Amino acid sequence: NAGVTQTPKFRVLKTGQSMTLLCAQDMNHEYMYWYRQDPGMGLRLIHYSVGEGTTAKGEVPDGYNVSRLKKQNFLLGLESAAPSQTSVYFCASSYTYYNEQFFGPGTRLTVL
Amino acid sequence: KQEVTQIPAALSVPEGENLVLNCSFTDSAIYNLQWFRQDPGKGLTSLLLIQSSQREQTSGRLNASLDKSSGRSTLYIAASQPGDSATYLCAVITGANNLFFGTGTRLTVIP
Repeated sequence: NAGVTQTPKFRVLKTGQSMTLLCAQDMNHEYMYWYRQDPGMGLRLIHYSVGEGTTAKGEVPDGYNVSRLKKQNFLLGLESAAPSQTSVYFCASSYTYYNEQFFGPGTRLTVL
Repeated sequence: KQEVTQIPAALSVPEGENLVLNCSFTDSAIYNLQWFRQDPGKGLTSLLLIQSSQREQTSGRLNASLDKSSGRSTLYIAASQPGDSATYLCAVITGANNLFFGTGTRLTVIP
């Protein structure tokens, strides 16, 4: 039982490049989330999903896209990376939104 | 918009001391409140979840309380240990896309 895993752990991009972050969970959770964590600003919700095939916008969705083709996977895409997207990205999952959230180890992204 | 505040931002205590971390929120219409710890360069580890109908939860040396009417929660850590050193975050949930985190309290337990 691995819980929530994220790939990759670190990445450096140049402005304008694209990439996809992968989140996987083996707890059969319906809800999955993508957050970013920036110094002094706490964690902010980017996008979330309430089940396979569904996605919805969170607090800071601009510049990101997501997909949930399989229940266990939630992908976060950056089509044209910008320096403002330099951050640590966390994925989380839960049975429902009022249940305990479980977090992955994070991906540290630097955009030059 | 819900605002979550954690004061102090940093706290240092000698080993063995009991301590209280504070979390306050501006809107009492919450579903639950969750406490996490985060070690440097790591993800968040869930410590305790308090549903809105509950007043406290306990796990080992940790006890979390919730007072919705006053918009406050506390995390009590008994007999602190150096291994408790980490950043402690609280988060309130008001809906599927309404999750609000505080910026955390960085705890250092001095041996």
